[in-house]
Amino acid sequence: EPEVTQTPSHQVTQMGQEVILRCVPISNHLYFYWYRQILGQKVEFLVSFYNNEISEKSEIFDDQFSVERPDGSNFTLKIRSTKLEDSAMYFCAGGGFQNTEAFFGQGTRLTVV
Amino acid sequence: SQQGEEDPQALSIQEGENATMNCSYKTSINNLQWYRQNSGRGLVHLILIRSNEREKHSGRLRVTLDTSKKSSSLLITASRAADTASYFCASYQGNAGNMLTFGGGTRLMVKP
Repeated sequence: EPEVTQTPSHQVTQMGQEVILRCVPISNHLYFYWYRQILGQKVEFLVSFYNNEISEKSEIFDDQFSVERPDGSNFTLKIRSTKLEDSAMYFCAGGGFQNTEAFFGQGTRLTVV
Repeated sequence: SQQGEEDPQALSIQEGENATMNCSYKTSINNLQWYRQNSGRGLVHLILIRSNEREKHSGRLRVTLDTSKKSSSLLITASRAADTASYFCASYQGNAGNMLTFGGGTRLMVKP
């Protein structure tokens, strides 16, 4: 069964460093999403991506964040200068059609020290 | 603003009992979805109910939707220890309708 793959599963980085979180969505999906979940808290929407551009973004998704789908397969989330409060699980998700179910990856645990 | 709010925040039951979780939302929806998350893992889609549907079943899951009250409920019948997880309702929001927004979740513990 196709699945969404995220790498790495865990990343530790120094405050102020850039990180890139990678996702390989299901091949025929058209809509892509990034979410953040701070430990024990709710799942927060960051950004949605469709037709090679950002469709929606939340207040969390400020200038420190960017997304790319450079080669039609990988979908990346970049945080330019990490802060301690960026420590969280980051989930990638995708969907085949608008307003349908989303398929999630297993997440990347980002720890900023 | 919070679109979906689940109630209760935590629920502890014995195996074999039924578990009911509720979700309230604020704005109009095309559909409402329920997801499950095991501790530290990704979310798994359980069921989607469209705005013109009132009830939907999938195995031991039963979902209801009341658009007049802007609320939905998820019932898990004959619960098992393996049902222990967090359950979230979600709906699409935003100007382009591509912001799948989750509620705070209900943490369900099923004791064997």
